[in-house]
Amino acid sequence: ETGVTQTPRHLVMGMTNKKSLKCEQHLGHNAMYWYKQSAKKPLELMFVYSLEERVENNSVPSRFSPECPNSSHLFLHLHTLQPEDSALYLCASSQDEVNYGYTFGSGTRLTVV
Amino acid sequence: GENVEQHPSTLSVQEGDSAVIKCTYSDSASNYFPWYKQELGKGPQLIIDIRSNVGEKKDQRIAVTLNKTAKHFSLHITETQPEDSAVYFCAARPLEGDYKLSFGAGTTVTVRA
Repeated sequence: ETGVTQTPRHLVMGMTNKKSLKCEQHLGHNAMYWYKQSAKKPLELMFVYSLEERVENNSVPSRFSPECPNSSHLFLHLHTLQPEDSALYLCASSQDEVNYGYTFGSGTRLTVV
Repeated sequence: GENVEQHPSTLSVQEGDSAVIKCTYSDSASNYFPWYKQELGKGPQLIIDIRSNVGEKKDQRIAVTLNKTAKHFSLHITETQPEDSAVYFCAARPLEGDYKLSFGAGTTVTVRA
């Protein structure tokens, strides 16, 4: 365990379903991130939250909706996804401007059918 | 924004030999360069990092070198072992006070027994 926990580990959903991914960290970090990892592609930054405020939305389609209710939890709400959204979704956190390193969770493997 | 290029995309080495992965970055203001290792079924984990005021850093069999003038940095793994087989990502942080990392596309390292 890295200190960043993601659930579920695997998710299969239909294109009309609504589901949510959850990320939890108890490292005292101030920033949290969602990344999409597809085969043969670089990690794609989706959203950044700093002190529970969204500071970045990297042109992500509105069918992905993040939520950060407190500094320890981050959600990614999914609805009407497309098959090309199938990927590994990674959550990460970092402490502050002095401690730069990211701690990643193990990811949620999402398959859209 | 920052652009990080990583080479090679795949690397196969004989157990006991060394492995070298190289990355270049575009933004001369970048000041933090971490390396991550991602094993199958897991999220990326930080293995070593270097800041721009340092030219080299070592941790047991792993070393990272940074050439700020040429804007490139490298990961060196000596005496490779089968458990070193994984995908390795380099990254660079482009701006002061910015939490975001820009990642390379990854290198799949296979250590042959």
